Formats: sequence, structure tokens, C-alpha cells
Amino acid sequence: EIVLTQSPGTLSLSPGERATLACRASQSVRNNFLAWYQQKPGQAPRLLIYSASSRPTDIPDRFSGSGSGTDFTLTISRLEPEDFAVYHCQQYGSSVTFGQGTKLEMK
Amino acid sequence: QLQLQASGPGLVKPSETLSLTCTVSGVSLSGSTYYWGWIRQPPGKGLEWIGSIYYSGTTYHNPSLKSRVTISVDTSKNQFSLKLNSVTAADTAVYYCAKQHGRWDDCFDTWGQGTMVSVSS
Repeated sequence: EIVLTQSPGTLSLSPGERATLACRASQSVRNNFLAWYQQKPGQAPRLLIYSASSRPTDIPDRFSGSGSGTDFTLTISRLEPEDFAVYHCQQYGSSVTFGQGTKLEMK
Repeated sequence: QLQLQASGPGLVKPSETLSLTCTVSGVSLSGSTYYWGWIRQPPGKGLEWIGSIYYSGTTYHNPSLKSRVTISVDTSKNQFSLKLNSVTAADTAVYYCAKQHGRWDDCFDTWGQGTMVSVSS
């Protein structure tokens, strides 16, 4: 089973700042099949990024994904107030597993 | 517009069977070209994939839960269901149903709102 480790556990930033969230896999993720989700309190996760760097059409372009192999990054270029939430990564190159999440909180 | 709604008892006794149904609207399960999955999230913790099903009935499960999980589909009702037997307090979680992007091992592009299930006597 591929284990995903997200860092940091909590990230404290202010609106307008740039956020960089990391997801490291215990082994290489086939075809870079890595997704990112945003989850707000009391809500279901929302798909932000798939295949490491592809964005669904309804996701703002301030969200971007990068990386390959075992190291992946979600970048939010300029934080909006509604971006403060928990972010999860998921790999689907070998079965399906999720990371433990990173909480992005307002400073 | 595609919508998913998970429903079922909010409280299950230890050792009994948890049963949930996901009702899909806006898309017909019959002939759909993607898988449908169940994911859970214990309070304050991360997400865990439980299993996925195709409209034909083909299923895949998380190996850690496989022996306790049954996932089925009823295309006449446009629903798919989850049964988890021999539950313990560790099965207390919000249970989500979701549509996958394509294959059983794929990302989840549309989610239902989730239903909280507590295991307690």
C-alpha cells in the first residue's frame, strides 16, 4: 500500500499570501495519478487537481499542482478568505489511498 | 446536474451490520462508464477508501476492510449500497458516496454530502 504523508500538518497564512502544501508518497505513484481535494467544515471534499497538475474547469486558476514520482505540491498563488480549509491528497496509481490532510488556517 | 445522497441509520450497535444507500440523480447508473465509490472519514481524521462498484456489479474493495464489506448496485432504483458487518467503535465515521472519474482506481470528481454513522450500544 502506498502511504501518503502530507506536510505541514497545519499552515498559518494571511489572505493574499502564497500557500505551498506537500504530499510525499512512500513509493513512486504510477503515471503521477495524484489528486488534491479541498474540504471545508461540515462539507464533503471537492476535487481541485487530478493527474498531479490538471484542474477541473470550475476550479480557479490560483490553484495549481505539480510534482512527479514521490513528491507532489499544491500551490495556491494568492489566498482568498474562502481558501482556508483542510486539503487532502490522494493517489490512485496503485489502488486508492489518501494522505492525512493539511489544515490551512488564517493567521 | 449530478447529485448523490447517502442515507441510512445514524446509530448502529457493536457487532451489527452498518447499511447505507447512495441515491444518484441526474445520471443513470445503467450504462454509465465510471465507477461509484464509498469513502469514510472518522471524526477529526483523514479519508479512507472503502470500495467501488460498476453498474454491472463489478466491485473492488480496500484490502483492510474487504472481508467485512459488501457493495451492491440496484440500477432500477439508481442506487448503490454499502454493508459493513461486525462493526466496532472504530467504524464510527462520516460515510460519503462519490462518483469516480473513470476506473475503480481513480479520483472522485463528485461527492454526496455524507452521512454520520456512530457505533455505540
